Amino acid sequence: NAGVTQTPKFQVLKTGQSMTLQCAQDMNHNSMYWYRQDPGMGLRLIYYSASEGTTDKGEVPNGYNVSRLNKREFSLRLESAAPSQTSVYFCASSEAWTEIYEQYFGPGTRLTVT
Amino acid sequence: LAKTTQPISMDSYEGQEVNITCSHNNIATNDYITWYQQFPSQGPRFIIQGYKTKVTNEVASLFIPADRKSSTLSLPRVSLSDTAVYYCLVGDMKAAGNKLTFGGGTRVLVKP
Repeated sequence: NAGVTQTPKFQVLKTGQSMTLQCAQDMNHNSMYWYRQDPGMGLRLIYYSASEGTTDKGEVPNGYNVSRLNKREFSLRLESAAPSQTSVYFCASSEAWTEIYEQYFGPGTRLTVT
Repeated sequence: LAKTTQPISMDSYEGQEVNITCSHNNIATNDYITWYQQFPSQGPRFIIQGYKTKVTNEVASLFIPADRKSSTLSLPRVSLSDTAVYYCLVGDMKAAGNKLTFGGGTRVLVKP
């Protein structure tokens, strides 16, 4: 099992450009999440999807959109990138109602907006 | 989600035990306490989770007093590879689509 995979690993954008970050999980989890982590800070939740077909805003959703394409895939789109969106983006997945609740994180995408 | 407070940083030496205490005065009845570890340039990794008393796994122990207003993560005999940021999270972990709130974490530096 690959767990949670993210593409790309690195990306540089110019202000105003758009891009989509891809995330996939092979653990058959119902819930998926997108976080951002600025240097020296903790993670902040952007959007999450409790189950296929549903998405909800997290703490910092402005400037982003998401799509839960199917149970495996959850993408994050920046429509018009801004320097304030320079960050490391982590995707995670989880399953509720288990003995131990754990979120599994991907390796991250490092995004720089110039 | 309950707010958590933990030390910003801690230094230790190889072979010592490291204890990190997290305060969560507003913990709710359904809330669990979970700790994650994050190495530089990697996503966080689950360490341990508990509801009350003591939980132990192959990596760490988690001590939770009866009032549950704080918890202590104990890392026995640390090595250099335990240098990382440790996050304490509190929330109703059993709910579907549960969101995690990460604070600033505790930066643990293990010295030789």
